[in-house]
Order: sequence, then C-alpha cells, then structure tokens
Amino acid sequence: NAGVTQTPKFQVLKTGQSMTLQCAQDMNHNSMYWYRQDPGMGLRLIYYSASEGTTDKGEVPNGYNVSRLNKREFSLRLESAAPSQTSVYFCASRDGINQPQHFGDGTRLSIL
Amino acid sequence: TQLLEQSPQFLSIQEGENLTVYCNSSSVFSSLQWYRQEPGEGPVLLVTVVTGGEVKKLKRLTFQFGDARKDSSLHITAAQPGDTGLYLCAGGTSGTYKYIFGTGTRLKVLA
Repeated sequence: NAGVTQTPKFQVLKTGQSMTLQCAQDMNHNSMYWYRQDPGMGLRLIYYSASEGTTDKGEVPNGYNVSRLNKREFSLRLESAAPSQTSVYFCASRDGINQPQHFGDGTRLSIL
Repeated sequence: TQLLEQSPQFLSIQEGENLTVYCNSSSVFSSLQWYRQEPGEGPVLLVTVVTGGEVKKLKRLTFQFGDARKDSSLHITAAQPGDTGLYLCAGGTSGTYKYIFGTGTRLKVLA
C-alpha cells in the first residue's frame, strides 16, 4: 500500500546542475501537486496538475518545470539548480476538489 | 495573494496541559484542512471542515471553522508527547484545485 512515492529521498547538487524529482501515486487520483517546504514558511505550491494532460503554475514556479507523464506520475525538473532551491520537496495527490491531499515522504535537496 | 497565518509559531508545553492553535486569514475559504507532520515524513490529514461555525472532534482534538470561514482553531485537551509535531492548516477555494498552506505551528509536548 505505497500511496505516494518520491525518489530520490536525498540529493546534493552543485549550482548549475540539473535534475528531475520523480513522483508516482497508486491511488488513481486525478490531481497531483509539487510543494517546497522551507523553515518558517509552511508549504508553498510550485506546480500542480488538475488532471492528466494539464499543468499549472502555483505560487513559486520560477526555476522549475513539470511533466505529467501519465495519470500516475508527475515529475519536477530543475534545469539549472541554484542555492535558493535548497529545500524539502513534497509531492501530493488527491481525488478531487476539497478532498484530502496524500503526501509522499519528501525529497531533501541541497544545492551547493 | 491569499495568506494563512498560524499562531503561535512554536509551543512547548507539559504533558496534560491544554492548548489552542490558530489559523487566520483575510480571505474566505470554502474548506479548511488541518494536517500534522512528523520529522522526515509528509503531512497527514487530521480533519476537513467546510461549513462556517462547524466544530469537529477527533478524540482529544477539537477543530472549529470560523463563522465567516476566514479562520480556524485547533484545541488539544490534555496534550500527550505523541501530539508532538508540526501542525499545518490549509485553505481551499471553491472551483480551484489549489490549497494555500499556513506557516505552521511546531508543538512539543514534554513528558
């Protein structure tokens, strides 16, 4: 009963490197989300996908791109990592509006 | 821009004490959710409230949605060490898929 699975769990990058964070859910949910969590700032929405084939910007989209590969998978890409992108990244999914979000355990990303 | 302010930001109390955490906004939300997050894990939903004035109880936790649907509170009776964690509120707006998260309240209950 996996729920939302994120890979990798930890990653260290150098400034300017690129990488893709992977997220997969096995609950057949339509909507998927990427958040970043920084101390004292709660969770901030980066991008979301209301349904397969659609993506939209959240509060803090600059420096990121996303792909909704299929209904199960939603990836987040950093094209040229910057130290300001050091954070914990969470993926979430849910079945519809006003339904609870189910979160993965996060990816801890450090950019030197 | 919608904002959700939580207070207090940090709270350290003794086992058995009561506490209240507040979640306030100038915006109206169609629903409000409370989550608890433990170190190294993602947030886990505690409750969803959708009606102004609604009160929901979950064992020793009582959640209230303000009449104007702009604020919410979480009250814990007789706190236990197992209640330790980061508490997050999140507001949803009708017709959108986005939730706005509050700044969080970090609770530590000492045995």
